[in-house]
Amino acid sequence: QVQLVQSGAEVKKPGASVKVSCKASGYTFTSYDINWVRQATGQGLEWMGWMNPNSGNTGYAQKFQGRVTMTRNTSISTAYMELSSLRSEDTAVYYCARGRIVGASLDPWGQGTLVTVSS
Amino acid sequence: QPVLTQPSSHSASSGASVRLTCMLSSGFSVGDFWIRWYQQKPGNPPRYLLYYHSDSNKGQGSGVPSRFSGSNDASANAGILRISGLQPEDEADYYCGTWHSNSKTRVFGGGTKLTVL
Repeated sequence: QVQLVQSGAEVKKPGASVKVSCKASGYTFTSYDINWVRQATGQGLEWMGWMNPNSGNTGYAQKFQGRVTMTRNTSISTAYMELSSLRSEDTAVYYCARGRIVGASLDPWGQGTLVTVSS
Repeated sequence: QPVLTQPSSHSASSGASVRLTCMLSSGFSVGDFWIRWYQQKPGNPPRYLLYYHSDSNKGQGSGVPSRFSGSNDASANAGILRISGLQPEDEADYYCGTWHSNSKTRVFGGGTKLTVL
């Protein structure tokens, strides 16, 4: 079955960077976009950006421009999201999600990765 | 880009039907957008339910029961998620989302917490 499995929880200090992975299985990795969405505790969903695993093209939400980088390793069907200059407000669960094309429905979602930023 | 506004909470009795709304901000017309709906239960990632653009352009997520359906309310400039025959397991947070092609941005509503009484 189609599945996205993310890396484990991370604890980082303010100013550091974090890199979250998202391993895809059950479909052709390069045929679908990967989006990243985050959710702070008790809050709503916040879209961060998307990546086309075939071309490597990316699109980032304006809020994260300059701080986020989305990459992939097609040989292991894995997408990555790296967020730099972390601050306490970045503490959240980070999800990857598959989309057929840019802007399409996100289905399925990974299980989420909790990133905690604390001194 | 558009702002999607959802009521923060809604409650209804088991067996009833509910309409959850997702209102687009001024200057944007709901008929120009594909509204997508997601369900999230505590401790779980969101689950895709369906999308609605028009009666001839809509789609259901895999395995999503037909008692979940989408529509638009042009007078309210809102997307609608209708759940009929409400069941206890429908208690969850529901998020609407859409893609704004001009700004190449995906936006989500703030979510509605649905309580089944």
